[in-house]
Amino acid sequence: GQSLEQPSEVTAVEGAIVQINCTYQTSGFYGLSWYQQHDGGAPTFLSYNGLDGLEETGRFSSFLSRSDSYGYLLLQELQMKDSASYFCARNTNAGKSTFGDGTTLTVKP
Amino acid sequence: GAVVSQHPSRVICKSGTSVKIECRSLDFQATTMFWYRQFPKQSLMLMATSNEGSKATYEQGVEKDKFLINHASLTLSTLTVTSAHPEDSSFYICSARVRGTVTEAFFGQGTRLTVV
Repeated sequence: GQSLEQPSEVTAVEGAIVQINCTYQTSGFYGLSWYQQHDGGAPTFLSYNGLDGLEETGRFSSFLSRSDSYGYLLLQELQMKDSASYFCARNTNAGKSTFGDGTTLTVKP
Repeated sequence: GAVVSQHPSRVICKSGTSVKIECRSLDFQATTMFWYRQFPKQSLMLMATSNEGSKATYEQGVEKDKFLINHASLTLSTLTVTSAHPEDSSFYICSARVRGTVTEAFFGQGTRLTVV
């Protein structure tokens, strides 16, 4: 994804907290989404930020700062099953999404 | 949540043949659906936006004559890969949003295409 940047890999241990950052180009920006994808599977929606601030959904939270063109996904109480790829996606008001290159999260015992 | 069904999940075809992939929104209407392609360990690349009752909008670099998109109803979009070549082998995924929303996108299960 040429218009978003996120780290390629992150490693953490079970029970820990991990933050995956995402910076994006502002042209046509409407909101930022986060998706999880396990190997061989389709992406599943995690969270969306249309306004600045924090959105909390269980163990996952997402944050957006429009002035900084920056957002992050926060995963708490990490579990082994959280090992997957995480994508931030920039949404336009037409509903089109452009995906980042993804961050591979490895959770270790 | 809303359900998007994609079929087939896997297909193997010979070079030169065409393959049709279906994407259905099962419990909601989708005036717009999106088709993505994903190569191993890479991101989802948007190929085209499928619009019900009108022509699809293709992203730069995507051949419209090779990847035919038809969105004949509010619940069905099809992608046909014509004259397939081995380099077309990839994971093709469709997504849709509930009409009038711009937040959560619901993805189909994906289609693993292998061209031999």
